[in-house]
Amino acid sequence: GESVGLHLPTLSVQEGDNSIINCAYSNSASDYFIWYKQESGKGPQFIIDIRSNMDKRQGQRVTVLLNKTVKHLSLQIAATQPGDSAVYFCADDTSYGKLTFGQGTILTVHP
Amino acid sequence: GAVVSQHPSWVICKSGTSVKIECRSLDFQATTMFWYRQFPKQSLMLMATSNEGSKATYEQGVEKDKFLINHASLTLSTLTVTSAHPEDSSFYICSALFRGLSMNTEAFFGQGTRLTVV
Repeated sequence: GESVGLHLPTLSVQEGDNSIINCAYSNSASDYFIWYKQESGKGPQFIIDIRSNMDKRQGQRVTVLLNKTVKHLSLQIAATQPGDSAVYFCADDTSYGKLTFGQGTILTVHP
Repeated sequence: GAVVSQHPSWVICKSGTSVKIECRSLDFQATTMFWYRQFPKQSLMLMATSNEGSKATYEQGVEKDKFLINHASLTLSTLTVTSAHPEDSSFYICSALFRGLSMNTEAFFGQGTRLTVV
């Protein structure tokens, strides 16, 4: 869903573990979702996207799952590395690049 | 991927002054750009949609007279924070919309501008 004045939840994992980051959205008409990685002091970086006609999409070490019934997205990162430490946001592309961002999750990977 | 550049990366200004932030698409033309604001440890919030050759569209609660947006060319949008106050201190991020040959679209983000008003 949208973030309004909320502080970000955190997830801590050990290097090599798998990470799962969750996101809820509120608009049942949404049909295109994107996961972004944001490192400190930088802009968001595209990770992976998924359209509503799919329920799973895989990239390199990342998988996005979409459950339209409960309006839930998840990002799975396999074999998490210290370089994966960042803030992760899901976003709903509501209209040709106009994005509504979710709350975000701070991922910390311990060596 | 396409490259979007923001300038400056950071700026400190005195309260009451105005600050201009530039967003450039370096290797593609962008008729549409977006401006977001991000407070520490919070998510990105859309401020406005910048359209080349026309007025920007502001989100609810964003003062258009305070945050002036100009999209005078296909590769440049500017955001001017007028009469800045400490509460305007934030991370401002732009994105530019890339339109592919197959009419697919993708938003590419700049690196952000850290504004501190003292």
